[in-house]
Amino acid sequence: DSGVTQTPKHLITATGQRVTLRCSPRSGDLSVYWYQQSLDQGLQFLIQYYNGEERAKGNILERFSAQQFPDLHSELNLSSLELGDSALYFCASSVDAGAAYEQYFGPGTRLTVT
Amino acid sequence: KNQVEQSPQSLIILEGKNCTLQCNYTVSPFSNLRWYKQDTGRGPVSLTIMTFSENTKSNGRYTATLDADTKQSSLHITASQLSDSASYICVVSPSGGSYIPTFGRGTSLIVHP
Repeated sequence: DSGVTQTPKHLITATGQRVTLRCSPRSGDLSVYWYQQSLDQGLQFLIQYYNGEERAKGNILERFSAQQFPDLHSELNLSSLELGDSALYFCASSVDAGAAYEQYFGPGTRLTVT
Repeated sequence: KNQVEQSPQSLIILEGKNCTLQCNYTVSPFSNLRWYKQDTGRGPVSLTIMTFSENTKSNGRYTATLDADTKQSSLHITASQLSDSASYICVVSPSGGSYIPTFGRGTSLIVHP
């Protein structure tokens, strides 16, 4: 158990809908990362937050948005869902924002868009 | 364009044998290289992280090497166990500016009894 929690574990929804994925980082970690893993693309970095502020942005679509709250939990919002958004979404956390810090991954949320 | 290529794509070995996985990258400038182990349907778990100045790092039966000149890394697994069956992912992060890592597609390792 990494100490990072993600809810829900599974999510099934229809195209065009909007969903929110939630992540609670390890106690004491200030940085949160979101990743998408699909069969055809592998793991991709979406976005990073550090202590409530956006720190880095990767291959995140405009239909997706995220935020980190004062209690450091984070939410990833996915809207106007398409079939291709079906994937595993992972959250990871680290104690600080630098690239060299160890990241601890949560168990993931499996999103299925039908 | 930053790229990370891993080989082989998949590998089957017998329990107790050793194996070596390869990772070649074009990411520049280079900050660090990580190897992750990912069991099916679970989150990746970090095995090693190496910076530019490190050329070997071990974690139990896992030993990673890095040649920053040729931009190559390898992960050597000694005395494989059934629990080593997983996907092994190489991730390279650039230095300077924001953290935007490049992931390899992974090597799928199956260890048979």
